[in-house]
Amino acid sequence: GAVVSQHPSRVICKSGTSVKIECRSLDFQATTMFWYRQFPKKSLMLMATSNEGSKATYEQGVEKDKFLINHASLTLSTLTVTSAHPEDSSFYICSARVAGQGMQETQYFGPGTRLLVL
Amino acid sequence: AQTVTQSQPEMSVQEAETVTLSCTYDTSENNYYLFWYKQPPSRQMILVIRQEAYKQQNATENRFSVNFQKAAKSFSLKISDSQLGDTAMYFCAFMKHPYSGAGSYQLTFGKGTKLSVIP
Repeated sequence: GAVVSQHPSRVICKSGTSVKIECRSLDFQATTMFWYRQFPKKSLMLMATSNEGSKATYEQGVEKDKFLINHASLTLSTLTVTSAHPEDSSFYICSARVAGQGMQETQYFGPGTRLLVL
Repeated sequence: AQTVTQSQPEMSVQEAETVTLSCTYDTSENNYYLFWYKQPPSRQMILVIRQEAYKQQNATENRFSVNFQKAAKSFSLKISDSQLGDTAMYFCAFMKHPYSGAGSYQLTFGKGTKLSVIP
C-alpha cells in the first residue's frame, strides 16, 4: 500500500505556543488530505479536508483560525495548532486520498501525532 | 448523511480460530466504497480490506474476507486463523463515490470493535 508519514510523532509544548504537524504522501500524489482528531478509546473525528492549492474545508465546530491547514503541494499538508491550550491535547491523524496513479480509490493514514499541551 | 454502526464494542477469539466482526450502515447512495481499518496499540491506522458497492463479489485479502450484503446494508469482516498480531481496534468505514457530490472522499467511521486474540 501507499505510505503516509507524519511529523512529529510526539510533541510537548507550553500553553500559548503554536505547533505545526506535517503530513506527507511519500510515494504518491495526494490532491486531498484529511485531518482527524482521536480521543482515547474513541473513533476518529474528522476536523477538516485539505485540498491542494485551495482553502481547507472545516467540519462544523472546528475553529479554522485555531487549526490552520495548508496544502501547498501534492505531497504535503500541514496542520498548525495556534495558541495551543491543554484542551487541545490529543492524538492527531492525517490521511491522504489515493485515486488513479495505478491505485484504487482509498485513504491511507499517517502514524499520528500525540500532542500534549502543558 | 451516512451512518456506520458497529454493534460489538469488544470481542475476543482464541488464536487460530475464526471471528466475525459486524458492521451495518445507512445510506441513500447507490455507489460507494466500504473499508475495514485496523488500529493496533501503536495507533497506526492500517487498511485491511476494501469493497466497492457495485461489485457483488466479496473482497478477500489473505486471512481477511468480507460478507457484503448490499440490500441489507451489512458489511461484516471475517478473520480466519486469528493471530496475536490481529489484536487491535477494528473500524468499519463508508465513503461515497467520488462523483456523488458534496461529502465525497470523506470517510464515515463506526465506533470500532476492540478485538483481543487470546493465546
